[in-house]
Amino acid sequence: DQQVKQNSPSLSVQEGRISILNCDYTNSMFDYFLWYKKYPAEGPTFLISISSIKDKNEDGRFTVFLNKSAKHLSLHIVPSQPGDSAVYFCAAVMDSNYQLIWGAGTKLIIKP
Amino acid sequence: DTEVTQTPKHLVMGMTNKKSLKCEQHMGHRAMYWYKQKAKKPPELMFVYSYEKLSINESVPSRFSPECPNSSLLNLHLHALQPEDSALYLCASSQDLNPRGQPQHFGDGTRLSIL
Repeated sequence: DQQVKQNSPSLSVQEGRISILNCDYTNSMFDYFLWYKKYPAEGPTFLISISSIKDKNEDGRFTVFLNKSAKHLSLHIVPSQPGDSAVYFCAAVMDSNYQLIWGAGTKLIIKP
Repeated sequence: DTEVTQTPKHLVMGMTNKKSLKCEQHMGHRAMYWYKQKAKKPPELMFVYSYEKLSINESVPSRFSPECPNSSLLNLHLHALQPEDSALYLCASSQDLNPRGQPQHFGDGTRLSIL
C-alpha cells in the first residue's frame, strides 16, 4: 500500500510559467518531507524540504507548501526553466523512523 | 559533480559471476546507504550503515552482501544474481541517520545488467 503518492506520472509546462508538482500521503505520522530531482543516468539530488510544523518553505525558485489537514504537499517552481526537466520525487519521514518513504515520481517536461 | 562516487558506472555480468560495486564519499558522513532503482520506480532501500555498522537490512536476498570497510567506503558484493536484479544501484550518504536538515547525497549509480 503506497503511503506517498504522486498521482501525475508526467507534467508538461511552458518555459517561464509555474510548475506545480503534487504529492499526497496517507500516514499522519509523517513529520518531515523532502523533494528530490533526478536527471537520467544520475542519482537523485536533494531540492528542498519541509517540517510538519511549517506550511511553507522557500528556496529561490522553489517553494514547497504543506497542507497537513489534507495530507498534501506541493512543489512550485517559478519561473520554470528548461534545466528543470527531470523526474521529481517526493519523500516522507516518520517521526519514529529515519527511513525515506518515496513517491513514484513525476516527470516534468519544460517546453521552450 | 557528485560528492558520492560510484564505480563502475556500468556492469554486465553473468548469473554465475562474482563482482563488487564500490562507493566512496569524503564528506565525513557517518551513514551510508544502498538503494536499488528499477525503471520508472522510486529508489528501494536495501541496506543502511551507520558508523560502519549495519543498521537496516530490508530483507534483501543473500546474493547481495554489503561491506563497510571504513566510514568513507561502502561496497556491495554480488554473487549468483538473477535477471530481475538488473537495475540501477544507488549509493547515498548523510551526516547521520536523521534526514531532518541533513539530506542524503546520492551517487550517480551503477547500471547493472544480468545476462
